[in-house]
Amino acid sequence: KAGVTQTPRYLIKTRGQQVTLSCSPISGHRSVSWYQQTPGQGLQFLFEYFSETQRNKGNFPGRFSGRQFSNSRSEMNVSTLELGDSALYLCASSTRTGTGGYTFGSGTRLTVV
Amino acid sequence: GQQLNQSPQSMFIQEGEDVSMNCTSSSIFNTWLWYKQDPGEGPVLLIALYKAGELTSNGRLTAQFGITRKDSFLNISASIPSDVGIYFCAALSNTGNQFYFGTGTSLTVIP
Repeated sequence: KAGVTQTPRYLIKTRGQQVTLSCSPISGHRSVSWYQQTPGQGLQFLFEYFSETQRNKGNFPGRFSGRQFSNSRSEMNVSTLELGDSALYLCASSTRTGTGGYTFGSGTRLTVV
Repeated sequence: GQQLNQSPQSMFIQEGEDVSMNCTSSSIFNTWLWYKQDPGEGPVLLIALYKAGELTSNGRLTAQFGITRKDSFLNISASIPSDVGIYFCAALSNTGNQFYFGTGTSLTVIP
């Protein structure tokens, strides 16, 4: 059974640009949650999608957005990148909503220069 | 946001020793989870706890959901070198719409 797949693994962007990250959940999992991990703030919940609808949202500015497709794949977008957005972005999937996601992908390492 | 206070921040132990770490909060949670993260990888779920007072084991790992619903601990018995990594607690809010992580415990096992 394939795990949670995140692409790309590494990304370097310039301040002010926008970026889109992709997450393919485990087959049959309809919930996808996104997290930001930084040395200073640790792991922070961004949002959760279930059946193409955003169900829950953390305390991040509107520059962070996401969506989920009918096949449960999810994308996360960050617009007008700032240096502080450099982080490991993780997604996790689950069969049910409201669990925070039990199975994590390996993450996308985003560096903003 | 909500704060999960995890301690200790780091531990250096001899192989074969037992390890204990805990997580506390000023808020009540319905679900506590423990994860382990290896460098360059995402966290891996170790144990999930759903009921206050619940004690659950997974091999050499044992975790408990505190009776007050404000804390949880994780014990690792007879540590081995592959236990090295960062351990995170996580908790799900009562409404199920917010998910919080602790600050992590870095474990080093000395052979």
